[in-house]
Amino acid sequence: RKEVEQDPGPFNVPEGATVAFNCTYSNSASQSFFWYRQDCRKEPKLLMSVYSSGNEDGRFTAQLNRASQYISLLIRDSKLSDSATYLCVVRFTGGFKTIFGAGTRLFVKA
Amino acid sequence: DTGVSQNPRHKITKRGQNVTFRCDPISEHNRLYWYRQTLGQGPEFLTYFQNEAQLEKSRLLSDRFSAERPKGSFSTLEIQRTEQGDSAMYLCASSLEGPGHEQFFGPGTRLTVL
Repeated sequence: RKEVEQDPGPFNVPEGATVAFNCTYSNSASQSFFWYRQDCRKEPKLLMSVYSSGNEDGRFTAQLNRASQYISLLIRDSKLSDSATYLCVVRFTGGFKTIFGAGTRLFVKA
Repeated sequence: DTGVSQNPRHKITKRGQNVTFRCDPISEHNRLYWYRQTLGQGPEFLTYFQNEAQLEKSRLLSDRFSAERPKGSFSTLEIQRTEQGDSAMYLCASSLEGPGHEQFFGPGTRLTVL
């Protein structure tokens, strides 16, 4: 079993739609959680950190469920520019070993 | 541009040759990470430095791979006796110390082994 698992998609949604991605992790020693975005042939960039209480940044909402060991990302009012691969990231206690999921591809269509 | 830089951006080599990549992190970042990414996969952790000390190496990093960060600034990743399976994007990232700090990635070095 992979340490971090994501549905690879692709998710094809129309502009304005709401879309949700889930990610599960297997190691309970995981300490920090993030969502990164990666555009085609580009490097990953931080989208948002994920906090235990849940957090929101504009159209993006991230939630963490430690008991069930999953993380979610909700995108509201999808834009064409949201088309990318979304990577779930887990960092272990000690703060250095970082595990990326394989990513979920999103295509937003006009 | 004060972001993470990597050189070269592309490297084509023949099987059996040695290659070396360089990463220049953001200047005030004391943590530096190397990852490998293949098509359709997320970045896979290879190794990590805090200042000049290499603190962890993934089991993915075979004996043919070695990384250094001699003065705690730039880092090099060397692959000896390259194999076709080494073809991938090699990404470098840097961050400040602490688990909650963002890792900033460089543009990567794309290696093709013929």
